[in-house]
Amino acid sequence: GQNIDQPTEMTATEGAIVQINCTYQTSGFNGLFWYQQHAGEAPTFLSYNVLDGLEEKGRFSSFLSRSKGYSYLLLKELQMKDSASYLCAASYNAGNMLTFGGGTRLMVKP
Amino acid sequence: NAGVMQNPRHLVRRRGQEARLRCSPMKGHSHVYWYRQLPEEGLKFMVYLQKENIIDESGMPKERFSAEFPKEGPSILRIQQVVRGDSAAYFCASSRSPGQSFSGNTIYFGEGSWLTVV
Repeated sequence: GQNIDQPTEMTATEGAIVQINCTYQTSGFNGLFWYQQHAGEAPTFLSYNVLDGLEEKGRFSSFLSRSKGYSYLLLKELQMKDSASYLCAASYNAGNMLTFGGGTRLMVKP
Repeated sequence: NAGVMQNPRHLVRRRGQEARLRCSPMKGHSHVYWYRQLPEEGLKFMVYLQKENIIDESGMPKERFSAEFPKEGPSILRIQQVVRGDSAAYFCASSRSPGQSFSGNTIYFGEGSWLTVV
């Protein structure tokens, strides 16, 4: 299979930094997506990594190591509205079908 | 610039009825994907379509489920003889093209269609 593993839940404090890790199987791997999903809503695109390294986009950054099958999403200056599920998804082979992890439910506390 | 459009947003069906979910991809996108999200679970790939072609349906249940993306009009996911276990959020996503992916090949999701079978 193409298991995507990420923690089920995390808790962090408003204003802090949190890192959400994701591991995936490397065979046939294309690229790695991160989405944010609030309860009852659609996934919203956050980032896409295909090359090794860190991609920064405002308060959110995403890192990829292709050789290690590892990615993380870094959220800085956390706000209450960042409380959501964060979905790690990988694309494989020639297609763009995404294999999703179970999502990490992030709770931001005051 | 409209995003991925799905309708209906919410659909209630009795057991045994049919459900039809529609998806219009983003402008300029010719590839459509359907995903299902059961309550408290992650998204699971169902089917990948281009215009008039099913490219990959490895995630579709073998019976009662079908999908199409005609030359004209939206993509349609059809569920016949619905059962309670079909209650879920069905998300459509679209992209420009697959293959070697670059930053312009982002996959965007629609707002979803929430099916409730009673």
